[in-house]
Amino acid sequence: GENVEQHPSTLSVQEGDSAVIKCTYSDSASNYFPWYKQELGKGPQLIIDIRSNVGEKKDQRIAVTLNKTAKHFSLHITETQPEDSAVYFCGESGYSTLTFGKGTMLLVSP
Amino acid sequence: DSGVTQTPKHLITATGQRVTLRCSPRSGDLSVYWYQQSLDQGLQFLIHYYNGEERAKGNILERFSAQQFPDLHSELNLSSLELGDSALYFCASSVGWGASTYEQYFGPGTRLTVT
Repeated sequence: GENVEQHPSTLSVQEGDSAVIKCTYSDSASNYFPWYKQELGKGPQLIIDIRSNVGEKKDQRIAVTLNKTAKHFSLHITETQPEDSAVYFCGESGYSTLTFGKGTMLLVSP
Repeated sequence: DSGVTQTPKHLITATGQRVTLRCSPRSGDLSVYWYQQSLDQGLQFLIHYYNGEERAKGNILERFSAQQFPDLHSELNLSSLELGDSALYFCASSVGWGASTYEQYFGPGTRLTVT
């Protein structure tokens, strides 16, 4: 992997709203795209991932979509809760080594 | 809890000194990765070991070195420390290594402060 751009850098939503975080990458050989959640004082936690042979993957309130043609992928969180507040990182990899975006600080207000 | 352990949790040392950070991977995982996280650079990959052998290098300074031991734990050695080395250092582990990327699970990190 090479560069991966992540937007927005901060995102504030009301509890119950949806949140969307987007990442774009440049390496056409990239085939693995994980999302990590990092709470204050803790290590990044893998929350969902997608591989290049799949366009969308869901796990309860979170989903990831991948558009390989446009080289971008997104994290969708529905019905946000205050405990979703954290920094979220996207990653990409073509061969074992992960490259991460700069992170998005998500704040969910009650 | 990811199953990856790191020690120590915090480390405060002076410029010019040398420190060793330790990581134990999840049971059954053969790969260990080291990352540096700073406010301005984000999460940067440093180095990857698989079953005792170095497999990939990222933005790792020559002052830094690592190794993975036969019991699969890994150590990251940082020498001639500078103020700019202050950061969080994370270890991650995965089952394998190869043409397909395996899920990586991160430890709680070591916070290094160089004064």
